[in-house]
Amino acid sequence: EPEVTQTPSHQVTQMGQEVILRCVPISNHLYFYWYRQILGQKVEFLVSFYNNEISEKSEIFDDQFSVERPDGSNFTLKIRSTKLEDSAMYFCASSDQGTHNQPQHFGDGTRLSIL
Amino acid sequence: AQSVAQPEDQVNVAEGNPLTVKCTYSVSGNPYLFWYVQYPNRGLQFLLKYITGDNLVKGSYGFEAEFNKSQTSFHLKKPSALVSDSALYFCAVRVKAAGNKLTFGGGTRVLVKP
Repeated sequence: EPEVTQTPSHQVTQMGQEVILRCVPISNHLYFYWYRQILGQKVEFLVSFYNNEISEKSEIFDDQFSVERPDGSNFTLKIRSTKLEDSAMYFCASSDQGTHNQPQHFGDGTRLSIL
Repeated sequence: AQSVAQPEDQVNVAEGNPLTVKCTYSVSGNPYLFWYVQYPNRGLQFLLKYITGDNLVKGSYGFEAEFNKSQTSFHLKKPSALVSDSALYFCAVRVKAAGNKLTFGGGTRVLVKP
């Protein structure tokens, strides 16, 4: 069964540094998402992306965050200047349609640790 | 604003017994409801969804869920739990007017004892 893959599985970064989290969505999917889960808290929506542009973003997704689809397969989340509070599990997801009855399929996540 | 509540942090059940994981939601508009399961060191795995139609929906691994509009609930059930069902379960909701984002509950840890 096709899967969403994320790399790296664990990223350790010094505060203030830039970090890029990478995702390869399921190949025929057109809609891409990032969520995060701070330890002990709920999974939170960050951003959705379709047709090479952001379609929706949350309040969390401020100017330090950006997303990109640099080629036909990768979908990246960049955090420009990391803060301690960015430490979380980051999940990428994709769906084949934007309609609301289609489930989103998630990757295994990247654990981001900011020191 | 939409929200999801999973009132139990943990559910313990003996293998072979019925399993229920509770979920209630609050939305403006018609909800699209989902259940996901997370095994250790893995991502969220889709189990089942309710969009419209029959209130009882069936999903993967013998799980089912019942949509109850009057009680705004979408409880997950399995008639006979297995030890391998031990995992973290998340309920989520989407609303058409609120875009594509999923809003998740806090998760319920299920422990099935042999």
